[in-house]
Amino acid sequence: EDQVTQSPEALRLQEGESSSLNCSYTVSGLRGLFWYRQDPGKGPEFLFTLYSAGEEKEKERLKATLTKKESFLHITAPKPEDSATYLCAVLSGSSNTGKLIFGQGTTLQVKP
Amino acid sequence: DTEVTQTPKHLVMGMTNKKSLKCEQHMGHRAMYWYKQKAKKPPELMFVYSYEKLSINESVPSRFSPECPNSSLLNLHLHALQPEDSALYLCASSQFKGGSANEKLFFGSGTQLSVL
Repeated sequence: EDQVTQSPEALRLQEGESSSLNCSYTVSGLRGLFWYRQDPGKGPEFLFTLYSAGEEKEKERLKATLTKKESFLHITAPKPEDSATYLCAVLSGSSNTGKLIFGQGTTLQVKP
Repeated sequence: DTEVTQTPKHLVMGMTNKKSLKCEQHMGHRAMYWYKQKAKKPPELMFVYSYEKLSINESVPSRFSPECPNSSLLNLHLHALQPEDSALYLCASSQFKGGSANEKLFFGSGTQLSVL
């Protein structure tokens, strides 16, 4: 069974304190791993897609990496505006209609 | 235009009411989705439309009735809902690429539904 697990559930950082969020997955043939950011009461906002182990993508203070079993979202020198829930999702090889399997999310709070 | 627009933003309805949620996109995407999200939980897929045809129904109760009138519009008709149906309802869209739905979903801001 395809499964996605994110850790930690919640993370509190001081502004400028770098850290990483983890997304572990088991799927039958990974077609893609996705990171989304979601602010309270809003829809998820696309951040990154990773397709193969060793791939890395960066956007401002965020960097996503992928191995055969997990992905990390590294946050460098975070700011309060980075506070949000970060969702990881995977698309397995058995899906051809865009059905993503989401993890439970990591809620990040960055204090000034 | 990279937006998915959902209306209304908030909806309060009684268990005997009939209401509809609306979603619109003008990105030329031919796959459109309805997701349901409860507080502090990830989105759960409800329905997928591919080229205006229903391709996935995740065993959703019949009190939820989707409709795709054209390639830009997606509706969700609600009837006789239960209080436990209160949630954030999200619409999303994506392209088709290589014969299958592109995985990059564009989400709307959602409709926060409360059923009394």
